[in-house]
Amino acid sequence: KQEVTQIPAALSVPEGENLVLNCSFTDSAIYNLQWFRQDPGKGLTSLLLIQSSQREQTSGRLNASLDKSSGRSTLYIAASQPGDSATYLCAVLNSGGGADGLTFGKGTHLIIQP
Amino acid sequence: DVKVTQSSRYLVKRTGEKVFLECVQDMDHENMFWYRQDPGLGLRLIYFSYDVKMKEKGDIPEGYSVSREKKERFSLILESASTNQTSMYLCASRLERGAKNIQYFGAGTRLSVL
Repeated sequence: KQEVTQIPAALSVPEGENLVLNCSFTDSAIYNLQWFRQDPGKGLTSLLLIQSSQREQTSGRLNASLDKSSGRSTLYIAASQPGDSATYLCAVLNSGGGADGLTFGKGTHLIIQP
Repeated sequence: DVKVTQSSRYLVKRTGEKVFLECVQDMDHENMFWYRQDPGLGLRLIYFSYDVKMKEKGDIPEGYSVSREKKERFSLILESASTNQTSMYLCASRLERGAKNIQYFGAGTRLSVL
């Protein structure tokens, strides 16, 4: 059964720093990996999707990489801002059998200090 | 932009009540999903639907049922609500299964069962 782990569980950094969030998964048979942002009490906002055949995706100050063979992904946030404070979730869509939803990690709670 | 709308942001119900959570998407997506999110457990898939009148169990279907009579609407039903169903419920939709397709989420319904 696929398991997704995110490290660290929480992170607090000063404004302006570059930072990396980590995600690992146990089964490399995936269609894609998505990074989401969740603000307190709200739904999930999709940030980036990386297909299994891709190595990275970029959107503005965000860059996500995927190493499928080692079961790892990173989300790089450049020049962090207080508005980046949120919980970041990674999720994979399995290409094997079983239920067809995303398998989620438990998230990294990020605080950017002004 | 894709819009996934959940009919209620907050609901308070009593034990034993029948509860309906409604979700509507406006992008003609074929696939729809219901998840619940609990502290320490993350997001878990309850049910999903590939198309109208089709439904499949996810990882935690016990105590729930679903209905999809129209393509744009996916309802989650708690036949007899219990206190352990107090949770944040998130609906999602996706065009179809495939590596390129983003899963979009609604704002969530926070359900309290007293």
